[in-house]
Amino acid sequence: QVQLQESGPGLVKPSETLSLTCTVSGGSISSYYWSWIRQPPGKGLEWIGYINYSGSTNYSPSLKSRVTISVDTSKNQFSLKLTSVTAADTALYYCTRHTWNIGSDYWGQGTLVTVSS
Amino acid sequence: IQLTQSPSSLSASVGDRVTITCRASQGISSSLAWYQQKPGKAPKLLIYAASTLQTGVPSRFSGSGSGTDFTLTVSSLQPEDFATYYCQQLYNYPLIFGGGTKVEIK
Repeated sequence: QVQLQESGPGLVKPSETLSLTCTVSGGSISSYYWSWIRQPPGKGLEWIGYINYSGSTNYSPSLKSRVTISVDTSKNQFSLKLTSVTAADTALYYCTRHTWNIGSDYWGQGTLVTVSS
Repeated sequence: IQLTQSPSSLSASVGDRVTITCRASQGISSSLAWYQQKPGKAPKLLIYAASTLQTGVPSRFSGSGSGTDFTLTVSSLQPEDFATYYCQQLYNYPLIFGGGTKVEIK
């Protein structure tokens, strides 16, 4: 059974960089696509972007200038960096496995990141 | 592409038949997924390719549609089905979600 677990700071200061890591267990990261999705408190889901095992990425245009998703196949992990954060980036951040033409079929439990000084 | 879900919320009773609509601003073939999210939990994939039930999802859930208009139907609502439902288009980037439909107990 594939499991995903997000990790990283729960509090980030405005203008700094949000960094999260997702550790994949129960399966190899060396296939499928791996995505980040966020959900501001009380609001809907926002797709951030994804990466495949070879490092090919695709990002949401609204975040593209600030987002980097990377993969470390040796650790079975992938990561999210979001620069120049503001309060609007406060959200529950999920990592997921994305299967082509199916969607996000495995999700982490989510990690809350608050942007505040 | 924009995805518009309707209604944004609804109240229903156990045993009711419930239908949720997702409309795309342009044709997306059958590249649509539906998710269920319960409070405090991660979303769960219910249906992909507009009408294919994900493994383990009860058969009271069904999906239909293609092009721009899609529906998620719960044939007989159960207590565990009270949740928020989201559609997501997988046709092109960005892979946006609909705004969600909250299904509440009447």
